Amino acid sequence: KAGVTQTPRYLIKTRGQQVTLSCSPISGHRSVSWYQQTPGQGLQFLFEYFSETQRNKGNFPGRFSGRQFSNSRSEMNVSTLELGDSALYLCASSPYTGQAVEQYFGPGTRLTVT
Amino acid sequence: SQQGEEDPQALSIQEGENATMNCSYKTSINNLQWYRQNSGRGLVHLILIRSNEREKHSGRLRVTLDTSKKSSSLLITASRAADTASYFCATDGTANQAGTALIFGKGTTLSVSS
Repeated sequence: KAGVTQTPRYLIKTRGQQVTLSCSPISGHRSVSWYQQTPGQGLQFLFEYFSETQRNKGNFPGRFSGRQFSNSRSEMNVSTLELGDSALYLCASSPYTGQAVEQYFGPGTRLTVT
Repeated sequence: SQQGEEDPQALSIQEGENATMNCSYKTSINNLQWYRQNSGRGLVHLILIRSNEREKHSGRLRVTLDTSKKSSSLLITASRAADTASYFCATDGTANQAGTALIFGKGTTLSVSS
């Protein structure tokens, strides 16, 4: 099976712009989670989608949003970009949702905000 | 917020030596997972241990869990240069959490030299 894919892999944006990142989960996986990784804050949970419904949301401002499509592909959007949004954004998928579920991570999208 | 805190932050060893990383967490958990990340790429799941388990093995990996001390350790035996990576422990946000929302520690960076 193909792994989790994320596009684009690298992105440079300017403050105030918005950005959309895409994640294609492993075939058959219905849960997609997003994480932000920065040197200062480490890995932080953004949100999880399962069967097109947001199941959990981390402590991020409303500028961060996401959605999941019927084929389980997911997108996350960040509006009004700030310098602090520069990070590696990781997507993870799993066959189902809940605790004790192994996550399969994609390679990430590195976003640089200038 | 960080649930798990790894110790040490960085570890340098020679090939063939054992590497031990520790993780402490704050609240009650039902399970704990360990992940590896190679140089700013996606994370790879290593092992999951449930709260009713004290020790678990997978190849050269040994994980222990002490719920009374709220701590876990990851032991890598006979380290290889390919084990050079960052290692993270992760727990679910709350013991009764619905859905998936992993809380990661800051990680231990392991460097194995030949």
